[in-house]
Amino acid sequence: AQKITQTQPGMFVQEKEAVTLDCTYDTSDQSYGLFWYKQPSSGEMIFLIYQGSYDEQNATEGRYSLNFQKARKSANLVISASQLGDSAMYFCAMIMDTGRRALTFGSGTRLQVQP
Amino acid sequence: NAGVMQNPRHLVRRRGQEARLRCSPMKGHSHVYWYRQLPEEGLKFMVYLQKENIIDESGMPKERFSAEFPKEGPSILRIQQVVRGDSAAYFCASSPRASASYNEQFFGPGTRLTVL
Repeated sequence: AQKITQTQPGMFVQEKEAVTLDCTYDTSDQSYGLFWYKQPSSGEMIFLIYQGSYDEQNATEGRYSLNFQKARKSANLVISASQLGDSAMYFCAMIMDTGRRALTFGSGTRLQVQP
Repeated sequence: NAGVMQNPRHLVRRRGQEARLRCSPMKGHSHVYWYRQLPEEGLKFMVYLQKENIIDESGMPKERFSAEFPKEGPSILRIQQVVRGDSAAYFCASSPRASASYNEQFFGPGTRLTVL
């Protein structure tokens, strides 16, 4: 069964600095997708970025980039130039091409951006 | 094009009552997923439905919980005889086809259930 591990319960970053949120995953499948979601205090789940297991390039979406290291089974999220509005919970998730067609989420990292 | 809609957004029930959570998928989407988020935790898969069929309910408790996605109308997650441990946020996601390893699940805003 697949598993997502986020080892940082909480992180602090100064405004305008970059921050990396860690995510490692465990699966024996070759075809899978990795996602990052943001959950602000209002509670909704906001999709940030996606990386496919066969994508050779690291995904980027504006200030978000995904540092995908397949051999290490890691998919870290990098947020550049942090803003106060980035303060939220961040979840890493994975979906497989076979078996259960549902997302498996990590336990999340709470990011606080300080002025 | 409206997104995934869930209602109610907040629901308060006393122990022993029933809770009904509704999810209207995006237009054209026939696949619905329900997830539960306990306080300070990540989302956990509960059940995956297509129109009129339950495809995978392996994440749903065997007792008191049921789900349906009728031919017409929203998907319903039903919790009978609620207990305090059912207090959580329940999220619905929809997709136009069976999700694979690319981004196709769109999340609703969630229903926050509080059991007194």
